Amino acid sequence: DVKVTQSSRYLVKRTGEKVFLECVQDMDHENMFWYRQDPGLGLRLIYFSYDVKMKEKGDIPEGYSVSREKKERFSLILESASTNQTSMYLCATTDGINYYEQYFGPGTRLTVT
Amino acid sequence: GQQVMQIPQYQHVQEGEDFTTYCNSSTTLSNIQWYKQRPGGHPVFLIQLVKSGEVKKQKRLTFQFGEAKKNSSLHITATQTTDVGTYFCAGSGSGGYQKVTFGTGTKLQVIP
Repeated sequence: DVKVTQSSRYLVKRTGEKVFLECVQDMDHENMFWYRQDPGLGLRLIYFSYDVKMKEKGDIPEGYSVSREKKERFSLILESASTNQTSMYLCATTDGINYYEQYFGPGTRLTVT
Repeated sequence: GQQVMQIPQYQHVQEGEDFTTYCNSSTTLSNIQWYKQRPGGHPVFLIQLVKSGEVKKQKRLTFQFGEAKKNSSLHITATQTTDVGTYFCAGSGSGGYQKVTFGTGTKLQVIP
């Protein structure tokens, strides 16, 4: 079974702080994704990566950056957290063959105060 | 950009009743996936449809991809309390590594 883990289940940060969310997968999957989930809006893609050191902007990249230095690890960075970034953040992975079958981590509920 | 809408946003059904959620895309899709998210959980992949007019079944769940590949539906026959959760569709355009756009989701509540 694919295992996708995220560094924290719940996180509370102050406005202006730099926030790191980490995602680790153990199945050697090439592709990794960061989404945020908000009620009524579904899942919105922030960034994705199809290889180490490669990244592509999703639909809502503003205020976020990412890092993928190793294949198994994909980090989401909030450069200066704002209250409108309070959300559930979900990491997902897929392999190169079944690209559209995404495996999700448990999520991190981030609250920015 | 591509938009994927789902209706209804919420649905309450009596246990044993049928349930359907509809997914509509603003553009033609190359494929569509369906996910289920239990309360407090994360989305779990259910199925992928690729061909125009494709119909797939998983026990009481029937998935359909429209002829024009712009819409899809998920139908659950005789709902059970274990069906509770939010159902999402997700679609992408054609060619290369395409971004996947998720629908807004339909939250299903089953009344025992």
